[in-house]
Amino acid sequence: GNSVTQMEGPVTLSEEAFLTINCTYTATGYPSLFWYVQYPGEGLQLLLKATKADDKGSNKGFEATYRKETTSFHLEKGSVQVSDSAVYFCALSYNPGTASKLTFGTGTRLQVTL
Amino acid sequence: GAVVSQHPSWVICKSGTSVKIECRSLDFQATTMFWYRQFPKQSLMLMATSNEGSKATYEQGVEKDKFLINHASLTLSTLTVTSAHPEDSSFYICSQGGRGTQYFGPGTRLLVL
Repeated sequence: GNSVTQMEGPVTLSEEAFLTINCTYTATGYPSLFWYVQYPGEGLQLLLKATKADDKGSNKGFEATYRKETTSFHLEKGSVQVSDSAVYFCALSYNPGTASKLTFGTGTRLQVTL
Repeated sequence: GAVVSQHPSWVICKSGTSVKIECRSLDFQATTMFWYRQFPKQSLMLMATSNEGSKATYEQGVEKDKFLINHASLTLSTLTVTSAHPEDSSFYICSQGGRGTQYFGPGTRLLVL
């Protein structure tokens, strides 16, 4: 079946440090890939997505590239801020539309300190 | 983005009682809502897909008679955990589909004693 594997957290970084959160997936065919973020006390929010191989999703300084050859969708940011502290979830689905089922990774908690 | 609320945010109940969790879409009408469950340090697991005006579609291994889902309107879906037991303790999250993505509620933490 489909699955998503994320690096275990927590990840603790100093402000302005470079961030990478690894995500790999197992799936048949060509899924769409997503990163969701959950800030404390809030629901998950879509951060970025990519729907086909070699696509790069980007938002708020975060980027992730859909690498089919390595089945990966690693999240990166060049300079993190304290406000980026949250839990990040990698996910996949076979339909980027609204009624599609999402398969999630376990989430990676990021803590950014001054 | 759309705002989804859940009530209650957390609940403690005795074993054998039933608990109802509400999921409301505050500014968007959704024909489809999803219910997820999350155990500590594990993924969100889809429990069921709720369609307004029709029966919910449950994922394999999820007992439909234990987790009753009602999607009575375009802005409200409810999940009732019937005869709850300690193993039902978990974090329950709803989401609604809309505008090319899903919008998630903040979750409800259930503790069954």
